[in-house]
Amino acid sequence: QVQLQESGPRLVKPSETLSLTCTVSGGSIGDDTNFWGWIRQPPGKGLEWIGNIHYSGNVHYNLALKSRATISVDTSKNQFSLNLSSMTAADSATYYCARHQASVAGSPVDHWGQGTLVAVSS
Amino acid sequence: EVVLTQSPATLSLSPGETATLSCRAAQPIFTYLAWYQQKPGQAPRLLIHSASKRATGIPARFSGSGSGTDFTLTISSLEPEDFAVYYCQQRYNWVLTFGGGTKVEIK
Repeated sequence: QVQLQESGPRLVKPSETLSLTCTVSGGSIGDDTNFWGWIRQPPGKGLEWIGNIHYSGNVHYNLALKSRATISVDTSKNQFSLNLSSMTAADSATYYCARHQASVAGSPVDHWGQGTLVAVSS
Repeated sequence: EVVLTQSPATLSLSPGETATLSCRAAQPIFTYLAWYQQKPGQAPRLLIHSASKRATGIPARFSGSGSGTDFTLTISSLEPEDFAVYYCQQRYNWVLTFGGGTKVEIK
């Protein structure tokens, strides 16, 4: 059974860069049929897709976050990462890492991490 | 990006009743639509993909329909564990978006 686990800071200062890592277990990040992505959810609000990446390096971003987000993959560690720069209070949210089924129309997310709550405060 | 509009925002029903949730896309998206269920403090769970195909392990009381711009999630005979928030999601030109969600609450 594939499992995803986020790791990273719970508190970030305004203007700093958030760095999160997702470790994949029970499956290979090099599986050609999947994309690996990040989705966030502000407290009490809905879901917002940040972007996703294929192990080959092919990456897609939410246009609203594209200038601040960088997603990368490390196949040797079976991990992928998110860097989000110039953090503000509006970026406070639970950040989920996720597996997208690239072989299915619409790329649905069939596996989610448990989520990590990140607060932006000085 | 393709905007998804879900309605109603809240649905108040009793156990045993049928829930009908709507998701409308701002432009045609074929059947590139998925539905998720989210309970408080938990990650979302995939229910339906490709508009009408149940994900692994999802009970038959959950069904999806629609294509193009109008989609429906139907939950027949609501069980107590079905009261939650439901989101639709699409992918168009490799950009994903989610609807704003429908909360199904106990009446």
